[in-house]
Amino acid sequence: AQSVTQPDIHITVSEGASLELRCNYSYGATPYLFWYVQSPGQGLQLLLKYFSGDTLVQGIKGFEAEFKRSQSSFNLRKPSVHWSDAAEYFCAVGVGTGNQFYFGTGTSLTVIP
Amino acid sequence: DTEVTQTPKHLVMGMTNKKSLKCEQHMGHRAMYWYKQKAKKPPELMFVYSYEKLSINESVPSRFSPECPNSSLLNLHLHALQPEDSALYLCASSQGPPTVSSYNSPLHFGNGTRLTVT
Repeated sequence: AQSVTQPDIHITVSEGASLELRCNYSYGATPYLFWYVQSPGQGLQLLLKYFSGDTLVQGIKGFEAEFKRSQSSFNLRKPSVHWSDAAEYFCAVGVGTGNQFYFGTGTSLTVIP
Repeated sequence: DTEVTQTPKHLVMGMTNKKSLKCEQHMGHRAMYWYKQKAKKPPELMFVYSYEKLSINESVPSRFSPECPNSSLLNLHLHALQPEDSALYLCASSQGPPTVSSYNSPLHFGNGTRLTVT
């Protein structure tokens, strides 16, 4: 069965520091992978997505993610974190015939000044 | 501002009440979704509508009844809910039919309805 694992429940970083959020997936076929961000009281916003091709994908707000098939990972990175990046981050995989997205358990990011 | 509008933002209802959650999008998307999100948990898929027809029901209890009156509107009718149904209910939409190629169109989420069942 397909699954998405985010090993880090909560991460704290200093403003201006680099960030990496981990995501591992389990899926038999080529996965469609996404990162979403959710600010408190808000819906989810797509940061970036991977379908095929270049394994390093760029997203909005300065985020990027790298797909590594050998490690079944799709880690999210940002070189310099801003205070406004504090939020919940969800990795998701698209499965089935389409329009079915399953989310990881999320990583809560705190940014300290 | 989100392009998917959900009303109401907050709803408190008793276990014997009947209420409805509403969702609207005007992006021309042909797939719409209901997700349920408990606190500190990821969203869980409940229903998917594609071209106004129910295509996925993730074994959701019958006290939740979805309805898609037209391509822009999605409702979730609630009846005889339990306190454990209290959660954030998120509506989302995406373009295209349920095919693999539809993943080229990401989910657009509303800000959700915070439901409390007393």
